[in-house]
Formats: sequence, C-alpha cells, structure tokens
Amino acid sequence: AQKITQTQPGMFVQEKEAVTLDCTYDTSDPSYGLFWYKQPSSGEMIFLIYQGSYDQQNATEGRYSLNFQKARKSANLVISASQLGDSAMYFCAMRDQRNQAGTALIFGKGTTLSVSS
Amino acid sequence: DGGITQSPKYLFRKEGQNVTLSCEQNLNHDAMYWYRQDPGQGLRLIYYSQIVNDFQKGDIAEGYSVSREKKESFPLTVTSAQKNPTAFYLCASSRGPYEKLFFGSGTQLSVL
Repeated sequence: AQKITQTQPGMFVQEKEAVTLDCTYDTSDPSYGLFWYKQPSSGEMIFLIYQGSYDQQNATEGRYSLNFQKARKSANLVISASQLGDSAMYFCAMRDQRNQAGTALIFGKGTTLSVSS
Repeated sequence: DGGITQSPKYLFRKEGQNVTLSCEQNLNHDAMYWYRQDPGQGLRLIYYSQIVNDFQKGDIAEGYSVSREKKESFPLTVTSAQKNPTAFYLCASSRGPYEKLFFGSGTQLSVL
C-alpha cells in the first residue's frame, strides 16, 4: 500500500538559515508524483513544489528545492534562507494510485516548522 | 480572482443533527475533493468527484454524504451517523488527473 512518512513532528531554524524537511514514501507503481504543501495557521493549503518520478532533475521553485533520491524513496524539501513567514506546517503528498484516474493525493502527517529571528 | 470558497469558516453541530459544508470553485476544474484533518494528523480523503453527477468514496466516507449536481459545487453533509465529526474540513479541486490540488480555506466543525 502507498504510504507517506514524515518523521519530524517539529523543526526549529533561525532566520536566513537553510532547513531540510524529510519525507519518505512507499509505492509499487513506477510512475508517481510527489508534492509539498505549506499550511499556515490560517489553514489553507498552499502548493509549493512538485517532482515526477521520471523527472531527470530535482525540482526547484524559488527558495524551495526538492532533494529527490529515488533509490532511497525520499523526497526531502529544502528551504533556503528561511524567513519568519515560513513558519507553518508542511505536508508531503503523493498521488493516490488506487483509483485509475489518479487524481486524489495521500498525505503524510506533516512537520511543523518554526522560524525564529 | 479564481479560487475555492468554503463556508462557513466555523460550524457547530448538535447531537443528532446533519450539517452541510459548502464548497464552490470558479476555476473550471473537473475534479473536486473533501479531506478531513485532525490535530497532528495528515489529511484523509472523504469523497472525491471527477465529473459532474459522479463521486467516489475515499478512505473515511462513513457518516458523510456528498452531491455533485454542478461543476462548481461539491457540498459535504456530515450526518448524525458520524460520531466524531469534530475536525477541520478542507475542500480542493484540480484541473484533472495528475494536476496539483488547489485548496479552500477550510471549515472548522465542532460538536456542541
């Protein structure tokens, strides 16, 4: 069965430092997609970055990059130069392969990131 | 601006009562979803719909019902059969398969 594991309940970092949020996944499907979302205290889920299993390069979006290690089944999110506004919960997710259209996502339990000045 | 609107932001349910959470999108997306989030937990899929007049159960559909009569709307009813309804409910939509999900701002449901 597919599974997303985020082992860090909470992470603490100082402003301007880089931080890595861990995500490991389990799937038997050779074709899959991995997503990272940010959830601030307001509750809305904000899409950050996507990595396809066949993508040759690690995904990057501004200060966000994905350290994708396919053999280890890990897709860690790296946030460079942390800002106070980065304080939020972060979720790793992957497409649910149980339905043929593969539209829904399954989520990990999340990591709470706290950025201090 | 296009987006997903969930209402109300806070909702209270009495014992034995059915309540309906609204979700409207103007993104012209075909697929819509309902997720439940409990404290310290990830999101769990309740129901999803890939097209109008069709919807499928997710992992925790018991005690919930949905309808998809219009492309823009995907309301979720929390029935009295749902014994532990207190949670944060998120509605989402996507353009289609393999696309990212866009989320609404959520509804916090509590039991009186």
